[in-house]
Order: sequence, then C-alpha cells, then structure tokens
Amino acid sequence: EPEVTQTPSHQVTQMGQEVILRCVPISNHLYFYWYRQILGQKVEFLVSFYNNEISEKSEIFDDQFSVERPDGSNFTLKIRSTKLEDSAMYFCASRGTGGDEQFFGPGTRLTVL
Amino acid sequence: AQRVTQPEKLLSVFKGAPVELKCNYSYSGSPELFWYVQYSRQRLQLLLRHISRESIKGFTADLNKGETSFHLKKPFAQEEDSAMYYCALSGRASGTYKYIFGTGTRLKVLA
Repeated sequence: EPEVTQTPSHQVTQMGQEVILRCVPISNHLYFYWYRQILGQKVEFLVSFYNNEISEKSEIFDDQFSVERPDGSNFTLKIRSTKLEDSAMYFCASRGTGGDEQFFGPGTRLTVL
Repeated sequence: AQRVTQPEKLLSVFKGAPVELKCNYSYSGSPELFWYVQYSRQRLQLLLRHISRESIKGFTADLNKGETSFHLKKPFAQEEDSAMYYCALSGRASGTYKYIFGTGTRLKVLA
C-alpha cells in the first residue's frame, strides 16, 4: 500500500538557520498539506497546496515559511530563519480526489537550539 | 468558530471494559468527522470516518448533530488499543478540506 514518506525523521538546527523538510506524497494525490504539533499540544494546520500554489494558510504560516513542489514527487516545507518556538513535529499529508481522507507521513521532529 | 474538543487527555480502562472517547465539535455547515489513531512511534492512521458508518477494530462512532458530538466507542477494550486518538473535522467550508484536530486522548488499556 502506498504511503507518504518524510525525511529526515529528526532534524536538529541552530536558531536562525534555514531548514527544509521533505515529503513524498502518494503518487496520484493532488492535494498536499503540512501540519505541526508542538510537544503536548494539538496538531495544527499550517498550509494546503494544490495545482502548484498555496490554497490556504494559517496565521502560523508567516513569511518565514514557504512550500514548494520542486518536481513531480517532492513537497517541501522551508523555514527560512528558525526560532526556538519552531521546535515541533511536522507532518505532511496528501489527499486524492476521491474524498476527504488525508494520508499522513511519519513526521519530522525539528529541534531548534 | 471551527473547533474540536476532546475533554480527556488520558483515559485508562481495564482490558475487557467498555471505552468511550469523547469528541465535540463546533462548525457552521455540514461537517466531515474522522477519528485518527497514532500507535507508539507510528504515523497518524485513519480509524473511522462518520460518512462510512463502519466498524473498524471493534470501534464505532456516531455523529450526533443535535449534541454536536462524535464519540468513539468500543464495547470491550484490548491491550493493543492503547494509543493516542485524535478526533478531526474536515474544513469543507474553506474548500481546502484542511483538518481541525482535537487535542487528543491517550487511551491506556490495563491488563
């Protein structure tokens, strides 16, 4: 069964550094999402992406964040200048055209020191 | 405002006991509701969606629009049910079908 994959599983970075989190959605899916979960808190929506553009973003998704689908398979989340409060688990999800169900990747744990 | 509430952070039950994980929602429109489960060190997996009205691993959930609830139930808990359970609402109104999650309930099934 196809799965969403994410790399790396754990990323440690210094405050102010740029990070890129990578996701490979399920191949025939067209809708892509990023969520984050700060330790002990709920899973929060960051951004949705369709047809090579952002379709919706939350207030968390400020100018420090960007998303890209650089080729036919990868979907990336870039944080330009990381802050301590960006430390969280970041989940990628994708959805096909047949319904509402989203399929989640295993997550990337980002630790900002 | 769109919101999902799971009032219990932790629920401990003995094996064989009934389980009910509570979920209430606030949404203007017709919601799509889901239960996702996250076993230790694994990804979020869809457990149930209200529209399919099926039973997975013995779990059921009924959408009660009057009480704006979507509680998850199982008559006899098993040790392998121990996991984090998240109730989620699909934001159809926005057109992107983004999920709004509750804070999750950790279910511990004791031997």
